[in-house]
Amino acid sequence: QKEVEQNSGPLSVPEGAIASLNCTYSDRGSQSFFWYRQYSGKSPELIMSIYSNGDKEDGRFTAQLNKASQYVSLLIRDSQPSDSATYLCAVSLNRDMRFGAGTRLTVKP
Amino acid sequence: EAGVTQFPSHSVIEKGQTVTLRCDPISGHDNLYWYRRVMGKEIKFLLHFVKESKQDESGMPNNRFLAERTGGTYSTLKVQPAELEDSGVYFCASSPVLDSPLHFGNGTRLTVT
Repeated sequence: QKEVEQNSGPLSVPEGAIASLNCTYSDRGSQSFFWYRQYSGKSPELIMSIYSNGDKEDGRFTAQLNKASQYVSLLIRDSQPSDSATYLCAVSLNRDMRFGAGTRLTVKP
Repeated sequence: EAGVTQFPSHSVIEKGQTVTLRCDPISGHDNLYWYRRVMGKEIKFLLHFVKESKQDESGMPNNRFLAERTGGTYSTLKVQPAELEDSGVYFCASSPVLDSPLHFGNGTRLTVT
């Protein structure tokens, strides 16, 4: 079992729709969870961090964490073409950071 | 505040040659990570320094890879001798404390021919 799993996609949504990205992780002891966005040819950049169960909202982005289910998600409301990128889920595992393979999102105008 | 810088941005070498990648973390960041991304695959953890000490090097693929962080400042990752499968983008990232978000460099794209 991979440490951090994501659907590789591609995920395609129309402009203005909600994009839903999912991630599961294997270690119940993980405490910190992050979503990064990576544009093609660029380095990953942090979008959201979440540390406790529930929802955390920041503008059009909402991160959701359920530690019992070992599940973290990212919702992007009112998706824009500029949101088209690969979204990486990262989990702090044994004090190190592990990444999923990323989900490629395309927002079509 | 200067970000994480990596050098070189691109490197093309022949199989069997040696390449050294450098990473300068954000000043004051004790934690320094090396990752590798092969096209279409996940960002794979290589190793993690806390200051000058290797916290975890379980991701290093084999003894052809050597990472150092003398003095706890910049880090180097040497590949010797390079093989075709070593091609990919090598990212360096740093953070001030454990379990905090990582700041990434722009990566070094390594091509072994």
